[in-house]
Amino acid sequence: EAGVAQSPRYKIIEKRQSVAFWCNPISGHATLYWYQQILGQGPKLLIQFQNNGVVDDSQLPKDRFSAERLKGVDSTLKIQPAKLEDSAVYLCASSLWTASGANVLTFGAGSRLTVL
Amino acid sequence: AQTVTQSQPEMSVQEAETVTLSCTYDTSESDYYLFWYKQPPSRQMILVIRQEAYKQQNATENRFSVNFQKAAKSFSLKISDSQLGDAAMYFCAYRSQGAQKLVFGQGTRLTINP
Repeated sequence: EAGVAQSPRYKIIEKRQSVAFWCNPISGHATLYWYQQILGQGPKLLIQFQNNGVVDDSQLPKDRFSAERLKGVDSTLKIQPAKLEDSAVYLCASSLWTASGANVLTFGAGSRLTVL
Repeated sequence: AQTVTQSQPEMSVQEAETVTLSCTYDTSESDYYLFWYKQPPSRQMILVIRQEAYKQQNATENRFSVNFQKAAKSFSLKISDSQLGDAAMYFCAYRSQGAQKLVFGQGTRLTINP
């Protein structure tokens, strides 16, 4: 099966500019996640979608970050305006939904953002 | 909130030897899942192994096995017969029963010396 697709793989912008990342999950995966991974740290969940509804966005900086998942498939994560501390790898992951939570997340290769 | 701690930022091992990566977690829950993920330099996270907290038997996947100590809240990963392809960042992760998101540790960078 095809994996989780992300684009672009690399993006360099100046602070205060905007950027958008795109994710296409595995077909049939109802749950989609965006994680932020700062260099040297573990990934941190930014937002989780169940189909096209938001389940958890408690750690999303809503003054500058936004995300949507239209039609419950593809998702876009936007940053506007970007700050230096937003430099990170943005990982998208998807999974089937199970009530137990035993399902496994499949990750994409990530989008590396550098803010100058 | 649950937290996951990996106290070894870096580890190295000789090829064909055995190495153990440590992980501890903090939770008040009794049912949960624990995972080890591998992240090679290409950045794509790959699941290595998974452990259900209700299972006393330690999970194994070929050369990878875990030592799950529920009372001590410890979940270490043992890699036997280390290979050059095992070089990567390894992340320990926790998920609550019924929850969907993973909580990750800080990671351990594993180097394999030929």
